[in-house]
Amino acid sequence: DIQMTQSPSSLSASVGDSVTITCRASQTIAVYLNWYQQKPGKAPKLLIYATSSLQSGVPSRFSGSGSGTDFTLTINSLQPEDFATYYCQQTYSAWTFGQGTKVEVK
Amino acid sequence: QITLKESGPTLVKPTQTLTLTCMFSGFSLDTRGVGVGWVRQPPGKALEWLALIYWDDDKRYSSSLKSRLTITKDTSKNQVVLSMANMDPMDTATYYCVHRRLELDAFENWGQGTMVTVSS
Repeated sequence: DIQMTQSPSSLSASVGDSVTITCRASQTIAVYLNWYQQKPGKAPKLLIYATSSLQSGVPSRFSGSGSGTDFTLTINSLQPEDFATYYCQQTYSAWTFGQGTKVEVK
Repeated sequence: QITLKESGPTLVKPTQTLTLTCMFSGFSLDTRGVGVGWVRQPPGKALEWLALIYWDDDKRYSSSLKSRLTITKDTSKNQVVLSMANMDPMDTATYYCVHRRLELDAFENWGQGTMVTVSS
């Protein structure tokens, strides 16, 4: 099974900051990597699919990059509604999620 | 508009079998490439994919839970059912139903989730 490791597990940031979350796969997954945002008590929401494609309706301050085993999610100019937990997901072989990264208010 | 809604017991006893139903609308599960699956999330923990069934009845299961899971579909009723045998308190979680389509290998749509507690 493919394991996904996110770092950091949590981070503190302020409105207006840029933040980067990293996701590493235990084996190559090409570009089969998605990112989700989850707020407390809510279902996850798809942000980015296939590494860098922005889901419809998602603000352009979100971006993704990477290939092979290393991927990043970047949020530029963090907004109040962006404080949440973010998960990566590989779809190369079945589906596996990372353990999540909580973005908290500094 | 695509919607999914999970239903089932909120409390099950250890060793019992959990049966959850996902009722969906806005798409058909006999459309090529479409899949409906299940993801769970224990309180305060990460998401875990469990199972997915495709339009052609191909079924995929988490390797770690495969022996305990069964997923089926009823296309005429727009329903997908997940059964999980031999429930344990560690299976306490919110269980989500998800939708996948051919053009986008991601869980584009999610149900609201249903919380299941395993306790005697």
